[in-house]
Amino acid sequence: GENVEQHPSTLSVQEGDSAVIKCTYSDSASNYFPWYKQELGKRPQLIIDIRSNVGEKKDQRIAVTLNKTAKHFSLHITETQPEDSAVYFCAASIGNYGGSQGNLIFGKGTKLSVKP
Amino acid sequence: DSGVTQTPKHLITATGQRVTLRCSPRSGDLSVYWYQQSLDQGLQFLIQYYNGEERAKGNILERFSAQQFPDLHSELNLSSLELGDSALYFCASSPSASGSNEQFFGPGTRLTVL
Repeated sequence: GENVEQHPSTLSVQEGDSAVIKCTYSDSASNYFPWYKQELGKRPQLIIDIRSNVGEKKDQRIAVTLNKTAKHFSLHITETQPEDSAVYFCAASIGNYGGSQGNLIFGKGTKLSVKP
Repeated sequence: DSGVTQTPKHLITATGQRVTLRCSPRSGDLSVYWYQQSLDQGLQFLIQYYNGEERAKGNILERFSAQQFPDLHSELNLSSLELGDSALYFCASSPSASGSNEQFFGPGTRLTVL
């Protein structure tokens, strides 16, 4: 089955710096890659996602890149702010329109700390 | 607020007991997913239901079972509880069975087994 590896497990940056989190997946059939942000004790919230027919997607300070050949995808956060501090999870899904299942396989998470 | 509701918010019980966690998906969503989050295992997929039918199973123990009712709410039943079952249990919903749609997570149920 699918396996998702995520690095680093912890990341500390200064406010205003960029942060990069990387994930690799094993199943070449995976075609949907969301990123979730989870604050302590709260539910995971989707911050950005990318599908396999797209190489890059950007939403304000957040961007995700996907390399299907290498089977890895990355989250880039620019101009980090203290409120970006949280645990970030990448995930992969073998989703397809009309498909029968769509569970997410998550990486183990990256704890991002942004120091003022 | 994601529109997904879960009850109860907290649950404290003893080893060997049985509990039921409840999830109501967003209005119009047909798929419900259950995930377990423990400190050392991250977010683990347990099971998916779509419009009342089981669609996918992950690392769900035989002591655990789930169902989705005609009104689309879902229940996760955990029996013969062990200390290691202590975790946050999330449900998520999405409009379809496909994994290509955003999954909206509920606030979770924190289970503590003493």
